[in-house]
Amino acid sequence: GEDVEQSLFLSVREGDSSVINCTYTDSSSTYLYWYKQEPGAGLQLLTYIFSNMDMKQDQRLTVLLNKKDKHLSLRIADTQTGDSAIYFCAESRGYSSASKIIFGSGTRLSIRP
Amino acid sequence: GAVVSQHPSWVICKSGTSVKIECRSLDFQATTMFWYRQFPKQSLMLMATSNEGSKATYEQGVEKDKFLINHASLTLSTLTVTSAHPEDSSFYICSAVQGGNQPQHFGDGTRLSIL
Repeated sequence: GEDVEQSLFLSVREGDSSVINCTYTDSSSTYLYWYKQEPGAGLQLLTYIFSNMDMKQDQRLTVLLNKKDKHLSLRIADTQTGDSAIYFCAESRGYSSASKIIFGSGTRLSIRP
Repeated sequence: GAVVSQHPSWVICKSGTSVKIECRSLDFQATTMFWYRQFPKQSLMLMATSNEGSKATYEQGVEKDKFLINHASLTLSTLTVTSAHPEDSSFYICSAVQGGNQPQHFGDGTRLSIL
């Protein structure tokens, strides 16, 4: 199948870390992505990881990939109110730019004061 | 870098009207552009893949005569919703890829409302 699954909602306290989880079904995935969508806007690429990597860190963002379990996570350190958005996990299965991306349903992250 | 511009951002029109949406890569040449549709509180659904100078590849269930895609240059793709009806109301988003193993970069989307 072509399923990419995420939990729909996550609520965290400002300053805490947020961890958004994603599972996928196709073991032939080549790239895995995290996109952020703010209300009424398009998608902003946050980070992506190649399938032969286990971890990627970029400032407050840490991506962990467990290829055996087909599990991807995004950790946002020191979560701020500006991090409130929908976060989409996505995968592609080819190596060319024409490879289509399969998106998860998105996780809505809300921040509590 | 990698900026994708989409125009218009919001359009409201009467049923039966045809609407054209533009997607431009501003600072790179896009070998491939993608068109997505997003319903409220849902994920993105790929409609078609567009390569410059060739016919678009449509996903199953997407009517090619209803959603006309033209990719005339390496920086511009257009989606025309022909004879739009209320059920075509949605958020349409394009993305563009530079080539090689580069990720997709998305426009800000077009909200289409058909009365």
